Amino acid sequence: NAGVTQTPKFRILKIGQSMTLQCTQDMNHNYMYWYRQDPGMGLKLIYYSVGAGITDKGEVPNGYNVSRSTTEDFPLRLELAAPSQTSVYFCASSYGQGRAGDEQFFGPGTRLTVL
Amino acid sequence: AQSVTQLDSHVSVSEGTPVLLRCNYSSSYSPSLFWYVQHPNKGLQLLLKYTSAATLVKGINGFEAEFKKSETSFHLTKPSAHMSDAAEYFCVVSTIMNTGFQKLVFGTGTRLLVSP
Repeated sequence: NAGVTQTPKFRILKIGQSMTLQCTQDMNHNYMYWYRQDPGMGLKLIYYSVGAGITDKGEVPNGYNVSRSTTEDFPLRLELAAPSQTSVYFCASSYGQGRAGDEQFFGPGTRLTVL
Repeated sequence: AQSVTQLDSHVSVSEGTPVLLRCNYSSSYSPSLFWYVQHPNKGLQLLLKYTSAATLVKGINGFEAEFKKSETSFHLTKPSAHMSDAAEYFCVVSTIMNTGFQKLVFGTGTRLLVSP
């Protein structure tokens, strides 16, 4: 049981390049999330998914796209990289939501630098 | 809207001394509150969570937090710090978006430094 895995761990992009950050979970969780973490800040939600085929925007979706074709995978796409997208990206998953406050399980992160 | 404020960006303690990381929250209803820990170059790990049951919540690695509604606080404590506790700690509150989706709102984090 690997939990939430992310690839790559590190990446340097040039302005205008594109890339996909991969995220896979093996816990059969319905909910998946993408966050970005900027220095000295908490995590901000980029996109989330409540199940295969269903995604929605979070707080900071501009410049990103997502898809969810399977329960396990939730890739994040950067189409035209900009320096403002330099950040650490975390993928997370949870079984559900609700007043019980379902725990989110986080991957190890992808450190992205755009030059 | 729900929010959290972590009152200290850095806290330094000596090994074996108590740890106190402070968090105040703002919520229009009874919130779910969490503390997550992030070790260097790692993902976040849940330490503990409050979901309107007991106000004193015990977590992993000897940490605990007390929910105080009158003070809108959810401070994290540990009686005796260990070197391995050195990490970034995030106080988190859940909030319901217009779509009904439950979103986590993160504080800016407190870096705990532990000296020998």
